[in-house]
Amino acid sequence: EDQVTQSPEALRLQEGESSSLNCSYTVSGLRGLFWYRQDPGKGPEFLFTLYSAGEEKEKERLKATLTKKESFLHITAPKPEDSATYLCAVVLNQAGTALIFGKGTTLSVSS
Amino acid sequence: GAVVSQHPSWVICKSGTSVKIECRSLDFQATTMFWYRQFPKQSLMLMATSNEGSKATYEQGVEKDKFLINHASLTLSTLTVTSAHPEDSSFYICSARAPGGAIYFGEGSWLTVV
Repeated sequence: EDQVTQSPEALRLQEGESSSLNCSYTVSGLRGLFWYRQDPGKGPEFLFTLYSAGEEKEKERLKATLTKKESFLHITAPKPEDSATYLCAVVLNQAGTALIFGKGTTLSVSS
Repeated sequence: GAVVSQHPSWVICKSGTSVKIECRSLDFQATTMFWYRQFPKQSLMLMATSNEGSKATYEQGVEKDKFLINHASLTLSTLTVTSAHPEDSSFYICSARAPGGAIYFGEGSWLTVV
C-alpha cells in the first residue's frame, strides 16, 4: 500500500533554532514529491516539488532534499512567521493520480 | 506564480439545499483538478479527480450522487453538494495540475450546513 509518513507530528522551536522535518514514503512508483505549507483555515501553499533522489531546492529559510526513501525539509534560523503545518505529498507514476498526503508536521516557532 | 481561486470562501446553507463551489485556475489550463475535504486538524482527504470533458473519478466511500463534480472547461471545475446535511459541513479544497507538473491549491471553501 502506498504510504506517506511525516515526523514529528508537532515541533516546537525557538526563533533561530534550526531543525528538520521528515517525510518518508513507500510507494510503487514515485513521480514527484511535494512540500506545502498550510496555515489554519487556508488551502495549502505550494513550496517545492522534487522529482529525483539527490535533488535539492531552496526558498528563503527552507531547503528540501530527496532520497529514494524520504525527504527532509530543513528550516534554518526559523522565525515565528514560519509557524504552520507543513504537508508532504507524493504523486505516483500513473497519469492523473492525485497527491497522497502525509498527516503533516505542525511547527510552532516562538520568539 | 500560478493561482487557483475558489469561490465562495465560506458559505452557510440550510439542510436539504444544494450548494456549488467553484475552482478556477487563473493563469494556466488545468486538464486535471482534484477535490479534497479536510476535517479539523487532519490532513486532506481526496474526494475525486476531475478531468476536463469527462466524468470525475471518485474515491471509495465518496457518494457521486451527493458530490457532483463538473469540469466543463480547462480552467473551471465545480463541486455541488446536493441535499446538504450538517455532517457535510467541512473545509473543501480544490487543486489543479499545471502543465509543468506542479499542483496548486485553492484557498479552500468553508461549508456550514445548518
